[in-house]
Amino acid sequence: KQEVTQIPAALSVPEGENLVLNCSFTDSAIYNLQWFRQDPGKGLTSLLLIQSSQREQTSGRLNASLDKSSGRSTLYIAASQPGDSATYLCAVKGRANFGNEKLTFGTGTRLTIIP
Amino acid sequence: NAGVMQNPRHLVRRRGQEARLRCSPMKGHSHVYWYRQLPEEGLKFMVYLQKENIIDESGMPKERFSAEFPKEGPSILRIQQVVRGDSAAYFCASSPTQGLENTEAFFGQGTRLTVV
Repeated sequence: KQEVTQIPAALSVPEGENLVLNCSFTDSAIYNLQWFRQDPGKGLTSLLLIQSSQREQTSGRLNASLDKSSGRSTLYIAASQPGDSATYLCAVKGRANFGNEKLTFGTGTRLTIIP
Repeated sequence: NAGVMQNPRHLVRRRGQEARLRCSPMKGHSHVYWYRQLPEEGLKFMVYLQKENIIDESGMPKERFSAEFPKEGPSILRIQQVVRGDSAAYFCASSPTQGLENTEAFFGQGTRLTVV
């Protein structure tokens, strides 16, 4: 059974700093990994999707890496801004679910950027 | 192209009532997934549907919960005889035909159910 863990559960950093969020998963047989952002009381916004054959994806100040063999992904946020404050979730789509694109989610990292 | 639409956004029900949650997938998407997010917990898969078919309901509680995705109209998640423990945010996601590696899941804004 796939399990996804995100550490730390909460993180506070001063504005302008670079930061890294971590995600680990127990079963390396995955199709892809997706990073989402969730604002309080809101839905999920997809940030980046990394296919299993890829090592990283970049979008603006965000860079996500994937090391499938070790079951790890990181989300790097450069030059953090107060607007980056949110909960960040990672989710994997496992190969065991062929034909079923359900995702297994981590419990998230609550990020606070201090102005 | 509107995103995944869920309604209502907030729903309050008394214990024992029925709750109906609706989800309209993105245009062109034929796969719908329901997830539940309990307070201070991550999202948990509930059910996967295609038009008129339940593909995987392994995450659905055995009693009181049902889901459908009719040929016409939105997908419905129905909770009968709600209890306080059903209070949660319910999210719907949709995706196009199976693309496996490069298929992105798009989520709605969620329905926040409160049972009083």
